[in-house]
Amino acid sequence: GAVVSQHPSRVICKSGTSVKIECRSLDFQATTMFWYRQFPKQSLMLMATSNEGSKATYEQGVEKDKFLINHASLTLSTLTVTSAHPEDSSFYICSARSGRGEKLFFGSGTQLSVL
Amino acid sequence: AQTVTQSQPEMSVQEAETVTLSCTYDTSESNYYLFWYKQPPSRQMILVIRQEAYKQQNATENRFSVNFQKAAKSFSLKISDSQLGDTAMYFCAFMKHGSPSGTYKYIFGTGTRLKVLA
Repeated sequence: GAVVSQHPSRVICKSGTSVKIECRSLDFQATTMFWYRQFPKQSLMLMATSNEGSKATYEQGVEKDKFLINHASLTLSTLTVTSAHPEDSSFYICSARSGRGEKLFFGSGTQLSVL
Repeated sequence: AQTVTQSQPEMSVQEAETVTLSCTYDTSESNYYLFWYKQPPSRQMILVIRQEAYKQQNATENRFSVNFQKAAKSFSLKISDSQLGDTAMYFCAFMKHGSPSGTYKYIFGTGTRLKVLA
């Protein structure tokens, strides 16, 4: 099946720093990528949807200036958590959809810990 | 707005037995997909099975099958011959096809934690 690579898998940073998370589709062109946040033992919360070459669409309550999403190519989307604070600590997951397909392919997630 | 409800936060089953996880959803759409995803302790999301709403036949994938009741908006997952490796969080998900922009949106339920006992 299609592979989505997400890096880093774990990151620890100091409060006030920015962290970039990469999501790559390795063997298909991802026309749409989604970024989710997952708290312990909870469901996936959609943060934003990004389409290649256009601005991301953020869900209500998600600060677009804090969570910068760039989908510059058909195989790469990045999420930058700017000026991270302890409350941003969470598990972040990206996923990608190919063309008009209905299947979602997930990255392996990034555990962000802000000290 | 669409919602997905999983009313069983936790379940357990003996190895080799059968277990059914429930999922209900609410939508006014007629064209949509339903999915079951598995998230094992590794936290990697894995697609278990998917169902197209316009197909009446229930989807099956080896030991996994669904009972799709469109009128009742119910989409349960049956796991037969449960294995220790089936221990995971299971999420039911709904996807509608939005038009005319062609945007897709996936909505996940709150999950059911399944533990397979040896």
